[in-house]
Amino acid sequence: SQQGEEDPQALSIQEGENATMNCSYKTSINNLQWYRQNSGRGLVHLILIRSNEREKHSGRLRVTLDTSKKSSSLLITASRAADTASYFCAMLEIKAAGNKLTFGGGTRVLVKP
Amino acid sequence: NAGVTQTPKFQVLKTGQSMTLQCAQDMNHEYMSWYRQDPGMGLRLIHYSVGAGITDQGEVPNGYNVSRSTTEDFPLRLLSAAPSQTSVYFCASSYLTSGRGNEQFFGPGTRLTVL
Repeated sequence: SQQGEEDPQALSIQEGENATMNCSYKTSINNLQWYRQNSGRGLVHLILIRSNEREKHSGRLRVTLDTSKKSSSLLITASRAADTASYFCAMLEIKAAGNKLTFGGGTRVLVKP
Repeated sequence: NAGVTQTPKFQVLKTGQSMTLQCAQDMNHEYMSWYRQDPGMGLRLIHYSVGAGITDQGEVPNGYNVSRSTTEDFPLRLLSAAPSQTSVYFCASSYLTSGRGNEQFFGPGTRLTVL
């Protein structure tokens, strides 16, 4: 099974509303990253939060991390139609053989104009 | 900078054929990895490398081989293609140390169909 699970699997909102998605993971991590994927394209990095950080902001993005619960959330405020995409969390583990990055299953977000 | 490049963009194979998916990056990244993405799903890690001559298995390594002879290149070999390997394959790279940021840069993907 994958290291991370995301909730919800799909989300439909109106333009201007906020979108919140959650990520839970299983093992200790060094950092957690969020990525965006437009249909049929590669992933684009959005934001990274380190294991010793609890909250981080970047533009309309807000990420939280609770290492005691092994969970993270991504909030997109004042959503736009252009935010329609799939969003993935990714967990970085430090292993003996080197760093290993694994992904959650993703949340498909539809922002209706 | 070209970033991360992948070839080919599309490929159709017959069951049992072998092939190599190419990946190259020009950002001097130590870390390179291969993922597969099946319809409606997230990415699953196949193999990864933390530098030339060092590779390790990810979540779904069976049926795939990798090697890392240079910092720039990280080819993925399918030894004997099976229909279950029909997927979109993404290569990614990043710096290794957290101080320089671990954000992954992704290639455009290779869409592979095995008949």
